[in-house]
Amino acid sequence: GAGVSQSPSNKVTEKGKDVELRCDPISGHTALYWYRQRLGQGLEFLIYFQGNSAPDKSGLPSDRFSAERTGESVSTLTIQRTQQEDSAVYLCASSLAAERSDTQYFGPGTRLTVL
Amino acid sequence: KNEVEQSPQNLTAQEGEFITINCSYSVGISALHWLQQHPGGGIVSLFMLSSGKKKHGRLIATINIQEKHSSLHITASHPRDSAVYICAVPLLASGSRLTFGEGTQLTVNP
Repeated sequence: GAGVSQSPSNKVTEKGKDVELRCDPISGHTALYWYRQRLGQGLEFLIYFQGNSAPDKSGLPSDRFSAERTGESVSTLTIQRTQQEDSAVYLCASSLAAERSDTQYFGPGTRLTVL
Repeated sequence: KNEVEQSPQNLTAQEGEFITINCSYSVGISALHWLQQHPGGGIVSLFMLSSGKKKHGRLIATINIQEKHSSLHITASHPRDSAVYICAVPLLASGSRLTFGEGTQLTVNP
C-alpha cells in the first residue's frame, strides 16, 4: 500500500514569507508526527496528533509554527514569517496508534530553504 | 548530556567487515527504534525492539533494558549499507514521540 507522502519535496522561500507543508499519512494510521532535521544535526520532535485528542505541541520552537490535522488524514505544518534558521528537512511520520511500541513510518520529507 | 547517545559518530569499514553501532539512553523506555537514513534523506524503520534480539537479513539488533543499551550489528557489510543509522526512543515521560540519537554515519568501502 501507499506509504506516507509529503509535499512539496523541496521549497525555497524568502525570509519573512509564510510556508505550508503537507503530510498524507498511511490510511488508517491514527497517530501523526512532525519532526525537523537541520543540516548536520539530529532529528527533533515538533508536534504529534493522536486521533481526536489535543495535539502534543511541546516541540514547536516558536509561535510562528503551527500544525493542523483534519480528522485522521492530512496534516499541514505552517511556518509564518520564515527565518533562515527554519531551513531544514521537515519529516512527517505516522503510526497505527500512539502506543510507544508502534512502528513509525516516515515520509520522504520536505526540504525547506529560507533565503 | 543527551538522553540518547550513539557511538561512534562516524564509522568507515571495508566491504565484508562486521559492523557494530551502539546506543545508550539515560531514562526509562518501553521500546527502542533503529532507523536508517539514506543519503537522499529518506528514513526507513529497521527495528523496533523492547527486549532481547531481532534479526533481519544481515542486520541484528540487541537491547539490554537493565543496562539501558542497544547495539545494531551488520554482518558482511556492503557499500549499499552506507547510510546514517539512528537510534530513537519514546521516553516514558513524553508519550510516543521519539527522541533521537545524533546518528552514526557509516561508510562501507568496496
